[in-house]
Amino acid sequence: SQQGEEDPQALSIQEGENATMNCSYKTSINNLQWYRQNSGRGLVHLILIRSNEREKHSGRLRVTLDTSKKSSSLLITASRAADTASYFCATDGLAGSYQLTFGKGTKLSVIP
Amino acid sequence: DGGITQSPKYLFRKEGQNVTLSCEQNLNHDAMYWYRQDPGQGLRLIYYSQIVNDFQKGDIAEGYSVSREKKESFPLTVTSAQKNPTAFYLCASKLDNTDTQYFGPGTRLTVL
Repeated sequence: SQQGEEDPQALSIQEGENATMNCSYKTSINNLQWYRQNSGRGLVHLILIRSNEREKHSGRLRVTLDTSKKSSSLLITASRAADTASYFCATDGLAGSYQLTFGKGTKLSVIP
Repeated sequence: DGGITQSPKYLFRKEGQNVTLSCEQNLNHDAMYWYRQDPGQGLRLIYYSQIVNDFQKGDIAEGYSVSREKKESFPLTVTSAQKNPTAFYLCASKLDNTDTQYFGPGTRLTVL
């Protein structure tokens, strides 16, 4: 079953603008991760936020987590054409972190 | 170079044939995973293995089989029982007691 659902499904912005993607999930979690996938390639881990954290930064990435609303957002600031990719959120379950459940992803297009 | 390799990159299969997808990692990771990705969809877990000679079914294991005879290898066999095998297959691994999964480049399987 799909735990996370990203919103929007697709997003198109101009280079230099900020991009915000959202993820909602259904059950309690230990942590939430964001991954990036370039077309036809494997996924690359971007950032992990734990259930006791509310916000985390990594370079141009900012992730927030609201466990009361079971939602997270990924903000990419000052986007570049190279940020064009699909972005997925992944959640574990309270039972342990061996399994991750991925959402369907947000396809981001950054226009030069 | 350390990492996860998958072969082949593209695979074509005739209906009724079994095919095996290779996944090798030299990261000394304990756990390994197989996911299936369909167009516009997220990743769905097929099988995973936490240790050598042990593996568990994921959400969509029917029509697939795996083995884990060596720590670094986790091959996936797509059998003729899998009714709709055309998809992009991703292998991943992770170290015990960590949360981040590392992905291979994927194998695109097409049934002719």
